[in-house]
Amino acid sequence: AAGVIQSPRHLIKEKRETATLKCYPIPRHDTVYWYQQGPGQDPQFLISFYEKMQSDKGSIPDRFSAQQFSDYHSELNMSSLELGDSALYFCASSPKTGRTEAFFGQGTRLTVV
Amino acid sequence: AQTVTQSQPEMSVQEAETVTLSCTYDTSESDYYLFWYKQPPSRQMILVIRQEAYKQQNATENRFSVNFQKAAKSFSLKISDSQLGDAAMYFCACICNSNSGYALNFGKGTSLLVTP
Repeated sequence: AAGVIQSPRHLIKEKRETATLKCYPIPRHDTVYWYQQGPGQDPQFLISFYEKMQSDKGSIPDRFSAQQFSDYHSELNMSSLELGDSALYFCASSPKTGRTEAFFGQGTRLTVV
Repeated sequence: AQTVTQSQPEMSVQEAETVTLSCTYDTSESDYYLFWYKQPPSRQMILVIRQEAYKQQNATENRFSVNFQKAAKSFSLKISDSQLGDAAMYFCACICNSNSGYALNFGKGTSLLVTP
């Protein structure tokens, strides 16, 4: 079965640089979530989209932005990167918005040096 | 304040034995969902089991079952016949906070060690 695809899997950036993470949800899933998991931490919700519109916003820094495109893929744009942004970034999708399970991608490991 | 609390940072179980991981949550919602996710060393987040709050019957998935105590806001995970492959970080999560919409609220996790 098709899963959530994230790219790239690994990314190394320098401080103050910009990074773009991509997420391709499971086909026919119309809701996408982004989570950030720091080392030894639980995942923290950043932002979500439903039918290409921003749905909910969590602890996403102002330096970050995201959008969902017409083909339902989503991109997380991160600017002015800081060392503290080093984390595992997960994208998850669900078949409909609401209280239902989300299926996670394998994550993008971002290292800021 | 933490919405989901896992009071056991680490647990250990012998192969073939049973282990129970604890989780409590805080919500004023009447309709909510609870989940257990497994995160092995690969860091992939894998859904183990889910429970709808309106269902009284405890969810079961093969060797995994939950003890859902709604009044006590408790949602523990029981793993029977533990296998080496069960070793992982286990996160309890809920969609139960209207402030974060339909996003998952995770606990801090319990690291499960399975010994031969």
